[in-house]
Amino acid sequence: EAGVVQSPRYKIIEKKQPVAFWCNPISGHNTLYWYRQNLGQGPELLIRYENEEAVDDSQLPKDRFSAERLKGVDSTLKIQPAELGDSAVYLCASSLRFRSYEQYFGPGTRLTVT
Amino acid sequence: AQSVSQHNHHVILSEAASLELGCNYSYGGTVNLFWYVQYPGQHLQLLLKYFSGDPLVKGIKGFEAEFIKSKFSFNLRKPSVQWSDTAEYFCAVNADGNNRLAFGKGNQVVVIP
Repeated sequence: EAGVVQSPRYKIIEKKQPVAFWCNPISGHNTLYWYRQNLGQGPELLIRYENEEAVDDSQLPKDRFSAERLKGVDSTLKIQPAELGDSAVYLCASSLRFRSYEQYFGPGTRLTVT
Repeated sequence: AQSVSQHNHHVILSEAASLELGCNYSYGGTVNLFWYVQYPGQHLQLLLKYFSGDPLVKGIKGFEAEFIKSKFSFNLRKPSVQWSDTAEYFCAVNADGNNRLAFGKGNQVVVIP
């Protein structure tokens, strides 16, 4: 079984530039999560999707962050414009809809904003 | 909001030593508890989980964790570590009726051969 796929694995951009991350969850997993992991911290949830609906986005900084999951499968997380403090690892995870506590994580995208 | 505390962020020990990592959470209701591990260069993966039943749960690679409800704790143990156990370990909590996982800050464990 293929795991959660994320790309790119690494991204370096200058501040004020836009950036986008892509995630393809495990086949059949209805629920998709985006997390941010700052250095020395555990992952923190940004947004959770049930199929194509964002059901928990209270932690997403909506002034600069956006996400979409148009067909209920893969998802894109965007930052525009990026700030220095956005440097972090962005993780995608997926789960079956009624087993949201068993999440499977992708390798993450390490973003560096200079 | 639930919170998860992990202490001793950096742990260095020799092979064959015993390992115990503490995890305390703040939520008073029903919880599901997890330990995730991230080996160098790899993604987060589930090490073990507790939902209900026997409070002593066994996971992969010889790890076990004990849920002590009265202490709001879910400590991870391994009697004899190997160099390959070098990794970062995260405790996570899912509270009843809440679809979120709250993670601790993690423990960076280095096992010296």
